[in-house]
Amino acid sequence: SQQGEEDPQALSIQEGENATMNCSYKTSINNLQWYRQNSGRGLVHLILIRSNEREKHSGRLRVTLDTSKKSSSLLITASRAADTASYFCATRMYSGGGADGLTFGKGTHLIIQP
Amino acid sequence: DSGVTQTPKHLITATGQRVTLRCSPRSGDLSVYWYQQSLDQGLQFLIQYYNGEERAKGNILERFSAQQFPDLHSELNLSSLELGDSALYFCASSGRVKNTGELFFGEGSRLTVL
Repeated sequence: SQQGEEDPQALSIQEGENATMNCSYKTSINNLQWYRQNSGRGLVHLILIRSNEREKHSGRLRVTLDTSKKSSSLLITASRAADTASYFCATRMYSGGGADGLTFGKGTHLIIQP
Repeated sequence: DSGVTQTPKHLITATGQRVTLRCSPRSGDLSVYWYQQSLDQGLQFLIQYYNGEERAKGNILERFSAQQFPDLHSELNLSSLELGDSALYFCASSGRVKNTGELFFGEGSRLTVL
């Protein structure tokens, strides 16, 4: 079953605009991560935010986390054609026993129109 | 380049057959994770190995099995293949000394079952 659910499923914007994607999750987490996947390629890690953090920045990316609402958002500012990809949020599955894989949502497909 | 290598990149086979997918993790990474990505199910966690031992099991079918060898490479064996097994299979690794929690993904093996 999916832990995280991204919203919207698909988003199409003009180059230069900002893109916002949201993620909701169900259980307590250690951290939440965002990944990007270009069509048919492997996932690439973008940013990680820990459960005790509320906001984090990395270049044109801004991530927020609201643990009371069990939600996160990813903002991409000044979008570029190269940002066209699917974006996934992921939460860490276990806090103990050494198992530390991630559970992924179904992703937001972002299309940047030139 | 994530440093994770998966072979083969593409595989076409018939129902009822058996295939083996191979993964070489990043140098020094001890954990290997297998994920299945399909259009309807999204990215599903299958299984995790850590330093040769099974660490966590997800939605892995009984027809599927995996192992991690002493040199840390891993293989995912899929048997009695069905049409519904057609998917992208990803391997990811993590586990260096300062594990930041992120996973490094290979480019995937695309399996088509006819």
